[in-house]
Amino acid sequence: AQSVTQPDIHITVSEGASLELRCNYSYGATPYLFWYVQSPGQGLQLLLKYFSGDTLVQGIKGFEAEFKRSQSSFNLRKPSVHWSDAAEYFCAVATGSGGGADGLTFGKGTHLIIQP
Amino acid sequence: DTEVTQTPKHLVMGMTNKKSLKCEQHMGHRAMYWYKQKAKKPPELMFVYSYEKLSINESVPSRFSPECPNSSLLNLHLHALQPEDSALYLCASSQDWAESSYEQYFGPGTRLTVT
Repeated sequence: AQSVTQPDIHITVSEGASLELRCNYSYGATPYLFWYVQSPGQGLQLLLKYFSGDTLVQGIKGFEAEFKRSQSSFNLRKPSVHWSDAAEYFCAVATGSGGGADGLTFGKGTHLIIQP
Repeated sequence: DTEVTQTPKHLVMGMTNKKSLKCEQHMGHRAMYWYKQKAKKPPELMFVYSYEKLSINESVPSRFSPECPNSSLLNLHLHALQPEDSALYLCASSQDWAESSYEQYFGPGTRLTVT
């Protein structure tokens, strides 16, 4: 079964510093991968997705992620964080084969803290 | 319009009550989903509707009863819940063909407390 692992439960970054959140996936074929962000008490917002093609994908809010098949990773990056980036970040993998609606399997999440 | 709306925002119910959660989207999506999210945990899939038919039920207890009256609406009927069912219930929608089916848009959720 497909799964994703987010090794870091919490990460603290200074405002203006760069950010990298780690995600490792387990899947035999090319996975469909996503990063979502969730502010406290809110729903999830899609930051970016990887289906195929260019391994460096650009998302909203200045985020990007790089798919590395050799490392089974899909790490999220941002060159300079803002206090408003403080939130919970989830990496997710699609659980189906692309033939129709299916669910997403989420990692446990990484809580991002921004210090002034 | 990329919005999924959910009502109510908050719900407190007793274990003998019957209540319903409502989800609505006007993006023309033909797949809709219910997820359950406990505090400090990731969302977990409960149900998937595809073209108004239930396609996936992740072994959810029968006290949760989903309904999809039309392609824009998704309900979750609740009856005889337990305190451990307290959680944030998230609705999502997507297209239902090939890769687009995985690009899911989430609503803000309903915070449910069972007393």
